[in-house]
Amino acid sequence: DIQMTQSPSSLSASVGDRVTITCRASQSISRYVNWYQQKPGKAPKLLIYAASSLQSGVPSRFSGSGSGTDFTLTISSLQPEDFATYYCQQSSSTLTFGGGTKVEIK
Amino acid sequence: QVQLVESGGGLVKPGGSLRLSCAVSEFNLSDYYMSWIRQAPGKGLEWISYISSSGRTIFYADSVKGRFTISRDNAKNSLYLQMNSLRVEDTAVYYCARDPRRWVSGLYYSLFDFWGQGTLVTVSS
Repeated sequence: DIQMTQSPSSLSASVGDRVTITCRASQSISRYVNWYQQKPGKAPKLLIYAASSLQSGVPSRFSGSGSGTDFTLTISSLQPEDFATYYCQQSSSTLTFGGGTKVEIK
Repeated sequence: QVQLVESGGGLVKPGGSLRLSCAVSEFNLSDYYMSWIRQAPGKGLEWISYISSSGRTIFYADSVKGRFTISRDNAKNSLYLQMNSLRVEDTAVYYCARDPRRWVSGLYYSLFDFWGQGTLVTVSS
């Protein structure tokens, strides 16, 4: 199976900060990466698919980039509602998720 | 609006069985691949199974292969997960999720655009 390694596992940031989360695949997966946001007690929500396509209804402060093995989710200006856990997921082969990145208030 | 509602979770002893259901509304189930994804308490997400729109293609994660069976009844707008030989490590919230197989720049991409609220399965003696 393809392993997805997310970093950092957690971070503290302030409202207005630019936040970057990375995900590294154990082998090349082209652009087969999606990003999700999950808040406590809730189901995950799709943010980005195919590495860089913004899901309908998701604010434009969220963006994704990368291809091959290295991928990035960027929040350009962190808002109070963005404090959550973020997961990458690959769909190049048997589906796997990264371990998650918890974004906390500094 | 699109809804997915899981049911059937509960407390079961190791070695026991449960059947989860996912009832969908406001979309045609027969047009979509569907998956089950679980999340152990305080842990990350784990994909466990998917089924194609017709039901002819099915895959399982190694952790559940041979013990869990995914199925669907498009006429009833329902997805199922039969879980047998349950283990303590199967304790988790189980989500069903819709996969629209989106077309992007000449390729199909698998993604989960709608999820249910989850149902908790607890395996304990």
